[in-house]
Amino acid sequence: DTGVSQDPRHKITKRGQNVTFRCDPISEHNRLYWYRQTLGQGPEFLTYFQNEAQLEKSRLLSDRFSAERPKGSFSTLEIQRTEQGDSAMYLCASSPGLAGASYNEQFFGPGTRLTVL
Amino acid sequence: ILNVEQSPQSLHVQEGDSTNFTCSFPSSNFYALHWYRWETAKSPEALFVMTLNGDEKKKGRISATLNTKEGYSYLYIKGSQPEDSATYLCAFRDTGNQFYFGTGTSLTVIP
Repeated sequence: DTGVSQDPRHKITKRGQNVTFRCDPISEHNRLYWYRQTLGQGPEFLTYFQNEAQLEKSRLLSDRFSAERPKGSFSTLEIQRTEQGDSAMYLCASSPGLAGASYNEQFFGPGTRLTVL
Repeated sequence: ILNVEQSPQSLHVQEGDSTNFTCSFPSSNFYALHWYRWETAKSPEALFVMTLNGDEKKKGRISATLNTKEGYSYLYIKGSQPEDSATYLCAFRDTGNQFYFGTGTSLTVIP
């Protein structure tokens, strides 16, 4: 399967614990996005990378959230000191990053569902 | 915070009916409008990327139109089938390459 993969698919944690999610984009896709989706809402942008550079980060994103893409391939999203309000689906998407909107379709992974007790 | 609105929130139609949904978005800083189909327990699947005012795209029984001047896009499904049941998301992409999603339209096609 050459699609976007995310690990784990489900994570249950206790409030105050740290969690880390991984996203493996489609090979050779330059851009990688992280989104959060809560019940009844559309995906909310968190951050995005062009290769290893983190170019944008949502102003709504707490300092407890950090993301990395050290070698420009896979990415990790870490949430420190989790809170119940962090419970959501965390989606990753990648796109080729070439010039022209049509070349920048996003391909989504299956998501990681986080439950904070 | 940029507002992307979709209507209706949910829709139930009979098999064979045609239906349409609306996505409203800001008319400034527009770069592209994306439509996705999201089935339960699956990843969102890209349907269309639309960039030019007046664009019309078609894929099988599904088509979409774009009006960037007034800030809306319509998605049409002709002859709905049960397998069309899903949430349909639109996303506004701005000139800074950020995506802003609507809350989706949940479609249920009743056999």
